[in-house]
Amino acid sequence: DAGVIQSPRHEVTEMGQEVTLRCKPISGHDYLFWYRQTMMRGLELLIYFNNNVPIDDSGMPEDRFSAKMPNASFSTLKIQPSEPRDSAVYFCASSLTGAGHSPLHFGNGTRLTVT
Amino acid sequence: AQSVTQPDIHITVSEGASLELRCNYSYGATPYLFWYVQSPGQGLQLLLKYFSGDTLVQGIKGFEAEFKRSQSSFNLRKPSVHWSDAAEYFCAVGIMEYGNKLVFGAGTILRVKS
Repeated sequence: DAGVIQSPRHEVTEMGQEVTLRCKPISGHDYLFWYRQTMMRGLELLIYFNNNVPIDDSGMPEDRFSAKMPNASFSTLKIQPSEPRDSAVYFCASSLTGAGHSPLHFGNGTRLTVT
Repeated sequence: AQSVTQPDIHITVSEGASLELRCNYSYGATPYLFWYVQSPGQGLQLLLKYFSGDTLVQGIKGFEAEFKRSQSSFNLRKPSVHWSDAAEYFCAVGIMEYGNKLVFGAGTILRVKS
């Protein structure tokens, strides 16, 4: 099992540019989660999917953020336009059943820097 | 409001000493409880979990945690710390009624001195 795979590992972009983060969950996991980690706010849940359907996006900070899961093996988180305050580490995680019951498996994250 | 509290932001222990990291939660229902560890530049890794049954649970890397319902706590312990245990530790709580989401504490950074 390769685990949750995220790409890229690092992304540096200029303010106003579009950023796309990618995630491949563990095969067979029905839930996918996007988290953001910053020093100030810790780990924040942005959105999660169940069977490719977005269930709760209440953590998405603004309309500049969007997430999709076109199939069971791929998800994207897009920021357009990006701003310096979006700089953070973005984690994707998957779980077999809901995160309240089964453990989350995290990717290694994408460190985003917006200048 | 739902919350998970890790009161210690940083803890420093000597190698070989015992360790206890504190976690308290605020929920009406009995939650599912987790401890995760994060090494620099990596994602979080599950150390152990409590769903039901025996309130003392064993995890990987020699860690254990005890669920105390009366204190709403789930403290993480290790009898003898190794230098490789230096990392950030997160307590997390899941409540099925709240939509399959995990709520994480703010984390405790563990430093190990030789």
